[in-house]
Amino acid sequence: RKEVEQDPGPFNVPEGATVAFNCTYSNSASQSFFWYRQDCRKEPKLLMSVYSSGNEDGRFTAQLNRASQYISLLIRDSKLSDSATYLCVVNTNTGNQFYFGTGTSLTVIP
Amino acid sequence: ETGVTQTPRHLVMGMTNKKSLKCEQHLGHNAMYWYKQSAKKPLELMFVYSLEERVENNSVPSRFSPECPNSSHLFLHLHTLQPEDSALYLCASSPGTGEPQIYGYTFGSGTRLTVV
Repeated sequence: RKEVEQDPGPFNVPEGATVAFNCTYSNSASQSFFWYRQDCRKEPKLLMSVYSSGNEDGRFTAQLNRASQYISLLIRDSKLSDSATYLCVVNTNTGNQFYFGTGTSLTVIP
Repeated sequence: ETGVTQTPRHLVMGMTNKKSLKCEQHLGHNAMYWYKQSAKKPLELMFVYSLEERVENNSVPSRFSPECPNSSHLFLHLHTLQPEDSALYLCASSPGTGEPQIYGYTFGSGTRLTVV
């Protein structure tokens, strides 16, 4: 079983739409969670950390569900510039091993 | 310069060549990492350095040889690679090896390697 699993998509949504991605993780001892954004042929960049109580940054909302072992990312009022691959990242807090998902591809259409 | 810089951006090498990838960080971080990103696969951690000391080697073949002369520079020496080693090689840094758990990584823009 993979450490982190994401629906690869692609998700194609119109501008202004709301879109949500889920990511499941297999290790119940996982402690740190992140969403990264990776543009085509570029490096991943930290989008936001995911806190236990959930957190929001502008149009982006991240949630953690420990019971079901998944994290989610909600994007409201999608912009063309949101088109990218979104990577889910999980760490057990006991070492240097971060586990990356394969990413979910989002294309926002005019 | 700021952030994490990697050179070269693109590299094509034959299976008998020897080449090196370079990474430099200007963030004052103490930990540096090499990751491999292949198509349709998640990022794979290769090596971790903390204060110039290798703290993790994730069962990487010996044809990949890292070097960390100081906390700002990281190299990946390549020799006798295989075509399946073609991938995007990403360098990352963090304030310390415990810090990614709080702040995440800062990645370089990567070296796209093609082995022919």
